Amino acid sequence: DVQLVESGGGLVKPGGSLRLSCAASGFTFSTYTMNWVRQAPGKGLEWVSSISSSSSSIYYADSVKGRFTISRDNAKNSLYLQMNSLRAEDTALYFCAREDVLTAGDGYRADAFDIWGQGTMVTVST
Amino acid sequence: DIQMTQSPSSLSASVGDRVTISCRASQMISSYLNWYQHKPGKAPKLLIYAASSLQSGVPSRFSGSGSGTDFTLAISGLQPEDFATYYCQESYSSFTFGGGTKVEI
Repeated sequence: DVQLVESGGGLVKPGGSLRLSCAASGFTFSTYTMNWVRQAPGKGLEWVSSISSSSSSIYYADSVKGRFTISRDNAKNSLYLQMNSLRAEDTALYFCAREDVLTAGDGYRADAFDIWGQGTMVTVST
Repeated sequence: DIQMTQSPSSLSASVGDRVTISCRASQMISSYLNWYQHKPGKAPKLLIYAASSLQSGVPSRFSGSGSGTDFTLAISGLQPEDFATYYCQESYSSFTFGGGTKVEI
């Protein structure tokens, strides 16, 4: 089965750090761009960061730029998110998601997040 | 940055109803629009990509339409398992999501 399993969430004080992991199985992890998406309590989905298959292209949302670092280890089929200088507003359920380029019937090609994990909760509080 | 606005933010419906959810982009995004379904405690699920293409395994009662800035997700014959929150997402720029539409009984 194609699967993504997040881990590493927990309770951390403001200003603290946490490292999230995402273990992939059932597909060739090294060929896909991967993403982190979060959902704050009672809020919608927010894209956080993406990393290309070879780690050559990395992008961040403005809200986390300079504080979060995305990385991957293709030999371990794993995706990571190092979160530093955490703030209360970073409290959220964090999902990892696989990005694929899908082809529509008319040949139109578009990116979409086709596989998601169930998420790991990060709570930033005193 | 592209802003994605969904409406309504919530709606009440009954099993068997046809429901439509709108999504508007703040600038032209061609057909770079995806729709997801999300239930509490579950992984979000891709329903529609490229505005109108049904993801493999998704029931045909789900359909998407639109291009440019205005898009619609339709569910024909609402089933009990369809009560969830639905999100649009642009894949033209930085994968911005809409605010979500909660479909309730």
